[in-house]
Amino acid sequence: DIVMTQSPDSLTVALGERATINCKSSQSVLYTASNMNYLAWYQQKPGQPPKLLIYWASTRKSGVPDRFSGSGSGTDFTLTISGLQAEDVAVYYCQQHYSTPHMFGQGTKVEIK
Amino acid sequence: EVQLVESGGGFVQPGGSLSLSCAASGFTFSDYWMHWVRQVPGEGLVWVSRIHSAGTSTDYADSVKGRVTISRDNAKNTLFLQMHSLRAEDTAIYYCVRGNNYFDYWGQGTQVTVSS
Repeated sequence: DIVMTQSPDSLTVALGERATINCKSSQSVLYTASNMNYLAWYQQKPGQPPKLLIYWASTRKSGVPDRFSGSGSGTDFTLTISGLQAEDVAVYYCQQHYSTPHMFGQGTKVEIK
Repeated sequence: EVQLVESGGGFVQPGGSLSLSCAASGFTFSDYWMHWVRQVPGEGLVWVSRIHSAGTSTDYADSVKGRVTISRDNAKNTLFLQMHSLRAEDTAIYYCVRGNNYFDYWGQGTQVTVSS
């Protein structure tokens, strides 16, 4: 199984400041034939289902604000929120969809300072 | 608009059975792999199972293998999850999710509670 580990578990950031969440996979999720990283990021607000933010490690889903960006390759990935807004308070999860079981990271809770 | 609406959750005793459904609309259901993901409120997301767009292939998490069956009816745009020999640790919100690769649409979820 490919295990996903996020850091930190929680993050407190001032409005307008940058939030950075890291995600590490126990094996590479880079499919070399296509040069695509099978890594996605989701946002979950209280009482709601998760929403897809980023796929292929760095492609923003249509409609997602451009303050959200993803980077990384292989086993190490980062979600950056540039200029945190009040509506970004949520738990963020990374997930590998390279192989089953499609495991998620444990989640990172982002709060406002 | 893509919509996934789960139903069938409820309260069941340990050892019991439950069948979940997910009605899909707004897209060509038969073009997509579909998944079930569960979450204990306040905890993380756990992938449970997936089924190929044509229903010809399925996969399960080890925690549910042998106790759960995923299936679909492409004529009725409906995804199913049959659960047997339920345990307290199966208590969770169960989400129906669309995903050929990444998981791009999620239902609102249905609560399953296993308790005596």
